[in-house]
Amino acid sequence: EVQLVESGGGLVQPGGSLRLSCVASGFTFRSYAMSWVRQAPGKGLEWVSAISDSAGNTDYADSVKGRFTISRDNSKNTLYLQMNRLRADDTAVYYCAKTADTAMANPFDSWGQGSLVTVSP
Amino acid sequence: EIVMTQSPATLSVSPGERATLSCRASQRVSGNLAWYQQKPGQAPRLLIYGASTRATGFPARFSGSGSGTEFTLTISSLQSEDFAVYYCQQYNSWPPAFGPGTKVDIK
Repeated sequence: EVQLVESGGGLVQPGGSLRLSCVASGFTFRSYAMSWVRQAPGKGLEWVSAISDSAGNTDYADSVKGRFTISRDNSKNTLYLQMNRLRADDTAVYYCAKTADTAMANPFDSWGQGSLVTVSP
Repeated sequence: EIVMTQSPATLSVSPGERATLSCRASQRVSGNLAWYQQKPGQAPRLLIYGASTRATGFPARFSGSGSGTEFTLTISSLQSEDFAVYYCQQYNSWPPAFGPGTKVDIK
């Protein structure tokens, strides 16, 4: 059974930093692209960032480009999202999502339970 | 970038009735369209991919159709567990994009 478990969320002041982690199990982590998708309170889903299976390719939504960094450690089956210069509009539940194949352009067939990030003074 | 729209925003349906949800892409996405189901307090679940292929665990009352720019999710006979928010997502062009969602609630 695929499991994705996020951690690292919490309350942070505007301008602060936070690092999210997502530990994967139940599948061959190194063989799949991964993404972060967020959901602001009461709002819809927004893709945030993606990373290829080998970490050779990464991409970001314009709203986070230059502030967030996605990475992965295939030896630890772990996905990361380093979030810097956080703003109030980054407040959201952040989901770790597994893509259905090696390529980044695929549907998300498994999701974590989410990690809440609240940016507030 | 491709923009996804969904209609209606809210659909009120009685149990046992049929529900039809629409999704439109601003550019052609071929058949690279997914649907997700999200219940309150839960993560989204992949429901349909490739516009019409049901994901594991979903019953046959869920069906997807369409190609190009117009897509439909049909729930043939709504059960209590189907009341949720449904999102479409295109993965044909980068970056991936979600629609704003359709909430299916009890009439």
